[in-house]
Amino acid sequence: DTAVSQTPKYLVTQMGNDKSIKCEQNLGHDTMYWYKQDSKKFLKIMFSYNNKELIINETVPNRFSPKSPDKAHLNLHINSLELGDSAVYFCASSPHRNRNGAAKNIQYFGAGTRLSVL
Amino acid sequence: RKEVEQDPGPFNVPEGATVAFNCTYSNSASQSFFWYRQDCRKEPKLLMSVYSSGNEDGRFTAQLNRASQYISLLIRDSKLSDSATYLCVVTTQGNTPLVFGKGTRLSVIA
Repeated sequence: DTAVSQTPKYLVTQMGNDKSIKCEQNLGHDTMYWYKQDSKKFLKIMFSYNNKELIINETVPNRFSPKSPDKAHLNLHINSLELGDSAVYFCASSPHRNRNGAAKNIQYFGAGTRLSVL
Repeated sequence: RKEVEQDPGPFNVPEGATVAFNCTYSNSASQSFFWYRQDCRKEPKLLMSVYSSGNEDGRFTAQLNRASQYISLLIRDSKLSDSATYLCVVTTQGNTPLVFGKGTRLSVIA
């Protein structure tokens, strides 16, 4: 039973195309995130959603649009793909509170989607 | 100055060695601290949280110095399976996104 699952695992596409990456978590978490890990392995936040509402939107081109149909899903749609979008995209989720009631913000990551733009 | 700084390594150590990683963070409002581990072509996974008093989990010991804004991870009796990239991670209160260091690569050699 995969806790945070992303599809597809690999995505190879041409410049200018539009593509989507899907993410689902079955942990009952309230908050979901998208991170990007570039070729230098630096992992950086893109978006954060809490109960379907956008709470963080870092400096990301507006070609990237997250969509959260419900709190278990956070999909990422990318328009007009560019070479520089090639990276690994990770979805993550975290509970509002851990079992002890403390907001420890432990995040659980999906396996990643490796995007290659040609 | 980067928000979270780590020595990228690589650290190449023999099995059984003790190795220590250090990390500094710039945001004094940081409240939660973690070490994550990332294997090659895999997702980051939580290794351990870091508490103010320091904490230990088997062969792993984490320390936090809030005054110096410094976090450390000590691995004793290194195993081949410890080979990975170790990510220092900080965050402010609540469900704010994690801020990652670039990671320190460890290779444990037989």
